[in-house]
Amino acid sequence: EVELVESGGGLVQPGGSLRLSCAVSGFSVSDRYMTWVRQAPGKGLEWVSTIYAGGSTYYADSVKGRFTVSRDKSKNTLFLQMKSLRADDTAVYFCARILDFWSGYYRRLDPWGQGTLVTVSS
Amino acid sequence: DIQMTQSPSSLSASVGDRVTITCRASQDINAYLNWYQVKPGKVPRLLIYAGGNLQSGVSSRFRGSGIGTDFTLTIDSLQPEDVATYYCQQTYSVPLYTFGQGTKVQI
Repeated sequence: EVELVESGGGLVQPGGSLRLSCAVSGFSVSDRYMTWVRQAPGKGLEWVSTIYAGGSTYYADSVKGRFTVSRDKSKNTLFLQMKSLRADDTAVYFCARILDFWSGYYRRLDPWGQGTLVTVSS
Repeated sequence: DIQMTQSPSSLSASVGDRVTITCRASQDINAYLNWYQVKPGKVPRLLIYAGGNLQSGVSSRFRGSGIGTDFTLTIDSLQPEDVATYYCQQTYSVPLYTFGQGTKVQI
């Protein structure tokens, strides 16, 4: 069964750091295109970062230079290292697999994890 | 960047009603359009991909249509379990997969 389980969220002070994990089962995280999406309280979904199967990484302008996406093949886990956190980074963070990345408009996010809440506050 | 605009932002309908949500892209995105259902505390769920393809396991009450800049998600015969927020997403502009602002559906 394909499943994604996020962890690592919590309360952190402004300027602090946090590392989120996305444990994957049912497929190899290193063979796939994976993405992070977040949802701030009362707000909509916002794309955060993507890592390609080949290892290339991409970030939203709002997190560029502060967040780093990576993966560990041995643990079959995706990570999001977050530094210099700000109040507007407060959100539920979801990881998701990108299916059919090279199949044009069949490209889609499925499945998603249940999310992990990050709260940046003093 | 491609902007996605959904309407309405929220709606209230009765059980059994047909509900229509629209999504407009700021430029032609062909059929690079997906729809997701998000419930509080639940795993977001893919409903429709490539404009009009029903994801496996999703009720046939959900229909997607459109191409280019204008897209529609229709829920035939609204059910209590359909209470959720629905988002469109463009995947034309990789890797920046912009979402619409969401439509909250209530009964």
